[in-house]
Amino acid sequence: NAGVTQTPKFQVLKTGQSMTLQCAQDMNHNSMYWYRQDPGMGLRLIYYSASEGTTDKGEVPNGYNVSRLNKREFSLRLESAAPSQTSVYFCASSERVRGGVLYEQYFGPGTRLTVT
Amino acid sequence: KNEVEQSPQNLTAQEGEFITINCSYSVGISALHWLQQHPGGGIVSLFMLSSGKKKHGRLIATINIQEKHSSLHITASHPRDSAVYICAVRYFRGSQGNLIFGKGTKLSVKP
Repeated sequence: NAGVTQTPKFQVLKTGQSMTLQCAQDMNHNSMYWYRQDPGMGLRLIYYSASEGTTDKGEVPNGYNVSRLNKREFSLRLESAAPSQTSVYFCASSERVRGGVLYEQYFGPGTRLTVT
Repeated sequence: KNEVEQSPQNLTAQEGEFITINCSYSVGISALHWLQQHPGGGIVSLFMLSSGKKKHGRLIATINIQEKHSSLHITASHPRDSAVYICAVRYFRGSQGNLIFGKGTKLSVKP
């Protein structure tokens, strides 16, 4: 089991360029998440997908779009990168929380993105 | 706004010391997570709890629902425990049941 994989690991973009961050999980999880991590701040949720075919905005969705391609894959797209999007991006997956049952999240290794 | 507060922000300890990291939150939660972020950046889940206490090796996590407070303890600390420890909560209401994260506690254990 590879768990949660992300590509690329590092990326440098110029302002206005676009790119897609890829994420895949092999644990058959229903829910997938994209977070960004900035110095001095906690992880913040950009978008999530509770199940295949659904996506919802998180705390900081502006400037991003997502696609839940299938149950395994959840991609994050920056259409026109801005310096404020310089961050470390983490993808995560979990089983869906339902009733009183609790499930942990599994994180990918992260993508360090710099926008100049 | 629902928040998660961790203390201390930074912690330096000598090898062998007993370490406590604290987490407090504002309203009722359905779950609390403790995560570890390695110096290389990877994040792993340590504990997920909604009541009482859990233990895994030298790590112990406790939660007091009435006081809205959780602690992560490390016994006999070792330099390999050096990492950022992150508390995250899932609130009953709001945030669509997603996790809200604290800013983390950076732990450095000196040999």
